[in-house]
Amino acid sequence: DTAVSQTPKYLVTQMGNDKSIKCEQNLGHDTMYWYKQDSKKFLKIMFSYNNKELIINETVPNRFSPKSPDKAHLNLHINSLELGDSAVYFCASSSSGGVGAFFGQGTRLTVV
Amino acid sequence: DAKTTQPTSMDCAEGRAANLPCNHSTISGNEYVYWYRQIHSQGPQYIIHGLKNNETNEMASLIITEDRKSSTLILPHATLRDTAVYYCIVRGNNAGNMLTFGGGTRLMVKP
Repeated sequence: DTAVSQTPKYLVTQMGNDKSIKCEQNLGHDTMYWYKQDSKKFLKIMFSYNNKELIINETVPNRFSPKSPDKAHLNLHINSLELGDSAVYFCASSSSGGVGAFFGQGTRLTVV
Repeated sequence: DAKTTQPTSMDCAEGRAANLPCNHSTISGNEYVYWYRQIHSQGPQYIIHGLKNNETNEMASLIITEDRKSSTLILPHATLRDTAVYYCIVRGNNAGNMLTFGGGTRLMVKP
């Protein structure tokens, strides 16, 4: 069983569209994250959700919005996509006092 | 901002031990040292973490200096599949403490 799963794995879309990336974890963790890895391969934190409350929100455009229907899911919604949004997006989860975060396999988003 | 400094790249011969250094001179008392790796096109993978004692698991060993200002990740018998970018991260252990990734060390294991 996959611990942290993301869908889709690949997403190609046109500028201006709205898209969502789904993330689910079956580890019983209480915190979930979204990271962005750009073409230079730097991994940057975007959001952190703990017990359905946003507790860290880095300076990302408000076109990006995380939505958590329950503790096991943290979906990423992106409005009005831009070329610069092209990147690999990773979802992760962790538990308080746990051994660190577990990551999904990433979603490669390409905006054309 | 990342709080760690790592060499950009390293080579290691297959079957030999790979020793990856990390400097974290500004680490605070409640921060742990974490190591992750990212194999090409995959998500980051947790390897090991420690506070001040040396740690060992099935993947690697972590040696932390007594002053906690630096550490070394040891892969005892590197294989070709260990070729990856290795990230050293310092992080508190409270809920919501995020992992801040730096540039990491690109380890190339060669036959």
